[in-house]
Amino acid sequence: DQQVKQNSPSLSVQEGRISILNCDYTNSMFDYFLWYKKYPAEGPTFLISISSIKDKNEDGRFTVFLNKSAKHLSLHIVPSQPGDSAVYFCAAPDSGYALNFGKGTSLLVTP
Amino acid sequence: EADIYQTPRYLVIGTGKKITLECSQTMGHDKMYWYQQDPGMELHLIHYSYGVNSTEKGDLSSESTVSRIRTEHFPLTLESARPSHTSQYLCASTRTRSYEQYFGPGTRLTVT
Repeated sequence: DQQVKQNSPSLSVQEGRISILNCDYTNSMFDYFLWYKKYPAEGPTFLISISSIKDKNEDGRFTVFLNKSAKHLSLHIVPSQPGDSAVYFCAAPDSGYALNFGKGTSLLVTP
Repeated sequence: EADIYQTPRYLVIGTGKKITLECSQTMGHDKMYWYQQDPGMELHLIHYSYGVNSTEKGDLSSESTVSRIRTEHFPLTLESARPSHTSQYLCASTRTRSYEQYFGPGTRLTVT
């Protein structure tokens, strides 16, 4: 059963606007979350993470928000740029440090 | 700098052939992982290793096998490839007590 869910397969945003990618999880034991970015024919690259002791983590244009009570996190990209067009995966590690991934959201940033 | 390599990048092979997908990392990471991903789907863990001579199967059942004879090397072998093995295979590594995994570029396998 999938423990990390990304219910929006795709998102299209205009350049300069905000992109918001959402992620839900079912396992209340998860205490750390990561976002990865993936271009076609390449491996995922780490983008940003958040520990459950925080509700926000910011790195440049990227901010991740965590709502533990709702078991929900979101990635905000402001301002969005065409180079941000990629598939974004939300992930959470299990007790053995293996990552549980969502199915990803394909972001398209149009000029 | 994350340095993790996978070869080949692309492979088209006939049914029944034996193949080995190579994965090497130069970071001295003790933990290594193999994931399988189909388009539009999540990455599924198929094998992992916590160190030399340690290998475990992941959540997704796989007919592949792995070995970990050296810290830097974690090859994956399919004894008899089938069309159902067509997928992208991603290798990753991480250091002790870290959640952040570094991924290789992947191998796109097509079995005809």
